[in-house]
Amino acid sequence: EAGVAQSPRYKIIEKRQSVAFWCNPISGHATLYWYQQILGQGPKLLIQFQNNGVVDDSQLPKDRFSAERLKGVDSTLKIQPAKLEDSAVYLCASSYVVGYQETQYFGPGTRLLVL
Amino acid sequence: KQEVTQIPAALSVPEGENLVLNCSFTDSAIYNLQWFRQDPGKGLTSLLLIQSSQREQTSGRLNASLDKSSGRSTLYIAASQPGDSATYLCAVRTKTSYDKVIFGPGTSLSVIP
Repeated sequence: EAGVAQSPRYKIIEKRQSVAFWCNPISGHATLYWYQQILGQGPKLLIQFQNNGVVDDSQLPKDRFSAERLKGVDSTLKIQPAKLEDSAVYLCASSYVVGYQETQYFGPGTRLLVL
Repeated sequence: KQEVTQIPAALSVPEGENLVLNCSFTDSAIYNLQWFRQDPGKGLTSLLLIQSSQREQTSGRLNASLDKSSGRSTLYIAASQPGDSATYLCAVRTKTSYDKVIFGPGTSLSVIP
């Protein structure tokens, strides 16, 4: 089966510019996650969707970050305006549940550098 | 607040050695603990998932153990190979609001031929 797709793979922008990332999850996966991974750290959850509804966005900096999953399939994450500290890899993951076990599948990530 | 740490941060071993990676978490109220592998420039690949009621899981040369009461997990890699070189992350799914998954910072492993 096709995996989680993300684009672009790399992006370099100046601070205060805007940027958007796109994610297409595995077909049939209801749950979609966006993570931020700063160099040397583990991924940190930014937002979790269940179909097209937000389950958890408690760690999303809402003054500059926004995300949507309008039709419950693909999703976009936007940063406006970007700051230097936003330089990181942005990972998208989707998952399905069998019984009590959830299995997450990760995309390759988008590497963002803010200058 | 759940915190996950991993020791060591980096490890370099000669090929063929057995090795242990450590993961610690501060809150034992978890549903499960998962070990992931991350190759440079790529996403995460799930290696092993241990439910909170389980003590260990095995897959090939990998064995993961869980001691929930002490907040510890270990990933044992037998007969290491250069292809095992990657960053290994552990993550716990917490029994808190939203059942959040918290990742550790990872251990960067290099297996020298």
